[in-house]
Amino acid sequence: QVQLVESGGGVVQPGRSLRLSCAASGFIFRSYAMHWVRQAPGKGLEWVAVISYDASNKYYADSVKGQFTISRDNSKNTLYLLMSSLRPEDTAVYYCAKDGNYFGSGSFPDYWGQGTLVTVSS
Amino acid sequence: QSALTQPASVSGSPGQSITISCTETSSDVGGYNYVSWYQQHPGKAPKLMIYEVSNRPSGVSNRFSGSKSGDTASLIISGLQAEDEADYYCHSYTSSRNWVFGGGTKLTVL
Repeated sequence: QVQLVESGGGVVQPGRSLRLSCAASGFIFRSYAMHWVRQAPGKGLEWVAVISYDASNKYYADSVKGQFTISRDNSKNTLYLLMSSLRPEDTAVYYCAKDGNYFGSGSFPDYWGQGTLVTVSS
Repeated sequence: QSALTQPASVSGSPGQSITISCTETSSDVGGYNYVSWYQQHPGKAPKLMIYEVSNRPSGVSNRFSGSKSGDTASLIISGLQAEDEADYYCHSYTSSRNWVFGGGTKLTVL
C-alpha cells in the first residue's frame, strides 16, 4: 500500500531555513509527480508545489515562489522541500502527496502523508 | 490565477442528501478542467473522494458523487451518515499549470 512519511519539521526562527523530507513506498516513486500542500493552524489547505516524475518540471504557488525549492531523489524514493527565509506565516502542517496520474507534470494529489508541523517563531 | 469558492458550512440530517458547491472565478484561459474533492477529519490527513469531476477512487462509498456545470462543480453526499461529518475541499488543476484548493466546507450531520 502507498505510504508517505514526512519528516524534518520543528520550531525554527524567522529568516532561517529548513528542509523537509518525504519517504515514499508502496508504489513506483519515479513514475509519479509529487506535491507539497500545507495547512496553517485552523485554516484550509494551500497547494505549495509540484515536481514532475523526472524532476524536469517544477511549479510553485505564488506565495512561495523564489522562497521554497522542491526536489526529489528517485534513487532514494524521497521528496524534499527546502524552505528558506522562513516567516511566521509559513507556520503550517506540511503534507506530501502522490499525484494521481502516471508520469506527467502533476494533476491532482491522491495519496497523502500524515504531515509534519513547521513552526516559525522566535 | 484561479480561485475556488465554497460555502463555509453545510448541514444535513442522517439519511438526507447534501450538495457542496465549488465555483471557479478565474482569468485563466486554460479553464477549469480537472476537479477533485477531499475529505478531512480533525487532526487527519485529507482523503481523496472524487477525481476528474466525477470519478470515485476504489474504496470510496458510492454515496459520494461529483458533477460539474459551467463554472461550478458539486460534491453530492447521499444517505448522510454521522461519519461523513468533516471538512471538504475542492481542488482544481488547469492546463495552464495552475493548482488551487477551495477554502473548505464544514459539513455538520445534525
